[in-house]
Amino acid sequence: GAVVSQHPSRVICKSGTSVKIECRSLDFQATTMFWYRQFPKKSLMLMATSNEGSKATYEQGVEKDKFLINHASLTLSTLTVTSAHPEDSSFYICSADSGRALNEQFFGPGTRLTVL
Amino acid sequence: AQSVAQPEDQVNVAEGNPLTVKCTYSVSGNPYLFWYVQYPNRGLQFLLKYITGDNLVKGSYGFEAEFNKSQTSFHLKKPSALVSDSALYFCAVRSNQAGTALIFGKGTTLSVSS
Repeated sequence: GAVVSQHPSRVICKSGTSVKIECRSLDFQATTMFWYRQFPKKSLMLMATSNEGSKATYEQGVEKDKFLINHASLTLSTLTVTSAHPEDSSFYICSADSGRALNEQFFGPGTRLTVL
Repeated sequence: AQSVAQPEDQVNVAEGNPLTVKCTYSVSGNPYLFWYVQYPNRGLQFLLKYITGDNLVKGSYGFEAEFNKSQTSFHLKKPSALVSDSALYFCAVRSNQAGTALIFGKGTTLSVSS
């Protein structure tokens, strides 16, 4: 099956700093990538939809200036948490859609962000 | 708007007994339905999906799910639970349009006791 990687898997940062999380589709081209956020023992909340070469579409309530998403190529999308605060601590998961098979998205392993 | 409901926060079963994790959905048009499992501090693992065809879908690790259009349900089942099945289970739905995101239910914690 298709593989999606995320880097880093875990990051700890100080409040006020910015953190970049990478999501890569390793063996297919992803026309669309999605970023989700998950709180402990809670569901995945869709943050934004990212299409290659265009601006991301953010879900209601998600601050686009705080969560910068860039999808510069068909295999890479990045999420940058700017001026991170402790309340941004969460598990961030990306998924990738090749656009060929309409019935399955491929998920990355997730990134655990802890803001001190 | 699409939505998924998992009415149970937790399901407890004894090892060897059958298990059911419930899911109902709301979506316009024909739904694509999925089940995923998540172990602590891990990503999502795909279990099974319904797109079209046979209402009974068989997936990984002995799990199956039945699509019921009249009841708008897609319950996850397994005839005989294992302790190792203990995890967090998510039902998800998406429309049949390319490039649309999965919408997840809140999740159900399955606890299988020995």
